[in-house]
Amino acid sequence: ELKVEQNPLFLSMQEEKNYTIYCNYSTTSDRLYWYRQDPGKSLESLFVLLSNGAVKQEGRLMASLDTKARLSTLHITAAVHDLSATYFCAVDPFNSGGSNYKLTFGKGTLLTVNP
Amino acid sequence: EAGVAQSPRYKIIEKRQSVAFWCNPISGHATLYWYQQILGQGPKLLIQFQNNGVVDDSQLPKDRFSAERLKGVDSTLKIQPAKLEDSAVYLCASSAKSGTARRGYTFGSGTRLTVV
Repeated sequence: ELKVEQNPLFLSMQEEKNYTIYCNYSTTSDRLYWYRQDPGKSLESLFVLLSNGAVKQEGRLMASLDTKARLSTLHITAAVHDLSATYFCAVDPFNSGGSNYKLTFGKGTLLTVNP
Repeated sequence: EAGVAQSPRYKIIEKRQSVAFWCNPISGHATLYWYQQILGQGPKLLIQFQNNGVVDDSQLPKDRFSAERLKGVDSTLKIQPAKLEDSAVYLCASSAKSGTARRGYTFGSGTRLTVV
């Protein structure tokens, strides 16, 4: 059974500081997704990472994927209040012989940016 | 393009009652998913359809949950009878048949169910 672990689960950040969220998963895969969820809202796609060494950046967020280590990171540069939300990573176990095109999610990281 | 439509947005029912949720995916999307998101957790896949056939329903509590996608377009998810632990947000998602990995998945706004 695929397990996806995120840490930390709670992250209280100061504005203008840099932080990283980690996503470890238990089986071989080169399909990893990051989503953002605001309170009471649905999931907004942030990044799609489809190969070892993939790096994507959008504004103050940068995501990377190391399939050998089964690790993805979401790096936040110079945090601002607008980034306060819950961030989820999700894995499609494509290379593990499991059913593809479905996602297993981590528990999420609740990120709060304080002045 | 229009997004994934879900209704209702909110539903409050008493335990042992039944409830149904509706989802209309993005036009042309062959694959449709229902996820359950309990407060403070990540979404958990309940069922996956490819056109009107079930691909994976291994985590669907079949004694009380059922889902259908009769014409390969919209879908309904039903709970009968509901239990307190079914209180959650039910998210519908869809993906295109080709290019799913690259394009990812689009989620609807969800239905928040409260069982009292």
